[in-house]
Parts: sequence; C-alpha cells; structure tokens
Amino acid sequence: DAKTTQPNSMESNEEEPVHLPCNHSTISGTDYIHWYRQLPSQGPEYVIHGLTSNVNNRMASLAIAEDRKSSTLILHRATLRDAAVYYCILSNSGGSNYKLTFGKGTLLTVNP
Amino acid sequence: NAGVTQTPKFQVLKTGQSMTLQCAQDMNHEYMSWYRQDPGMGLRLIHYSVGAGITDQGEVPNGYNVSRSTTEDFPLRLLSAAPSQTSVYFCASSLRIKGGSTDTQYFGPGTRLTVL
Repeated sequence: DAKTTQPNSMESNEEEPVHLPCNHSTISGTDYIHWYRQLPSQGPEYVIHGLTSNVNNRMASLAIAEDRKSSTLILHRATLRDAAVYYCILSNSGGSNYKLTFGKGTLLTVNP
Repeated sequence: NAGVTQTPKFQVLKTGQSMTLQCAQDMNHEYMSWYRQDPGMGLRLIHYSVGAGITDQGEVPNGYNVSRSTTEDFPLRLLSAAPSQTSVYFCASSLRIKGGSTDTQYFGPGTRLTVL
C-alpha cells in the first residue's frame, strides 16, 4: 500500500489560515487522497477527499500537486475547535479495497 | 439518524474474560469495520465487512472475531481478553459506491477497553 508522510505537529493562531502538508510519493493512479481529523476523545471524522483536481467543501480545501506526489489540506480560518489530529490517507477505489490505513497524523494546535 | 453507535463506552475486563463490543448503524451502509487505537498511535484495522454475511481480516485480526448477520450490526468479540488488547476501539461504516471513490467513513464514538 502506498504510504503518506506528515509532520508530527503544527501550530497555528486562531483565525489564520493553516496549510497541512502530506507527501505520498508512491501514490498510484487510482489512489484517492483522503483527509480525516480526530478531535480529542472522539472518533475520526471525514474532512475532504480528492483524486486529481483541487477540492473545496464547507470545512476545508484540498490542493493536490500536479504530479499527485503531495497534497495540502487548507483550513481557511482556524478556530479553536479545529485543534485535532489530521490524517492524510490513501485508498484505492479499485476492486473491493475500501480499507483506510491511518498513520500517526499531524497534531494541530490552535493558539487563541 | 443516530449514525454509528457503540456500546459500551467503557469496559474493564480481567485477563481471560470474553466480551462483545457492539456496533450498529442506521444509514443502510454496506461497509463496516473495526479499528483499534493505542495511545499516541493511529488507527489500525482489525476486521471489516462489505455486506451481510461477508467479513474479512484487517491488519491486526488475532484475538478478535466478527460476524455480520444483518446490515445494521457488526459486533466484535474478544474470546479471551489479554492486556495487549487494552485500547480504544472504533467502529466505522460507509456506503459502498461500486466503481467510484471510497465513500466517507462515519466513525462511532469509541469503546475504551482496559484489560487487567
């Protein structure tokens, strides 16, 4: 399975944008890039996912490099509630492989 | 919809005891899975199911059994608990989209298990 590399931790200030990077140099052509986050003492929750094009939703934006070997999750205005562990995950849509492999993720601290 | 529910929220077992962690979803999702999360670690897949009557092993299946008799329920059984199974257990479900991207996975609130 293709793996992802994320920084262990990042800090941001409230109401400022946050760019969370993810490297996935061995990504295959059919791998989707997913981002989940886990708030303290809660289960993970979906943030966003994409294949090749940049994606936007109400929570965040996902910028995917042209060669797809890296991506960046963008939180446009961080709030205290965005403090969480953010996971960048690859999954293959082919066949019946719907399993998600979680790494350690990036712990985002948001300062007031 | 209640989403994904898990019971109990907390459980303490003695070594060798057995128990079943319950997971239910009311979204008519085909795909369900169980993960465990150890302190400071990411989630690891234990078992998963792509539909009623179909289960398969994940990354760390040893010591756990599952069955899927209905679409809604996916219980996880520990036959003989060991201290190494002390962890937080999360159940997840998703609507399987054939031929498309993996759909969003919805996670339950977790069960915190301690084995003494």
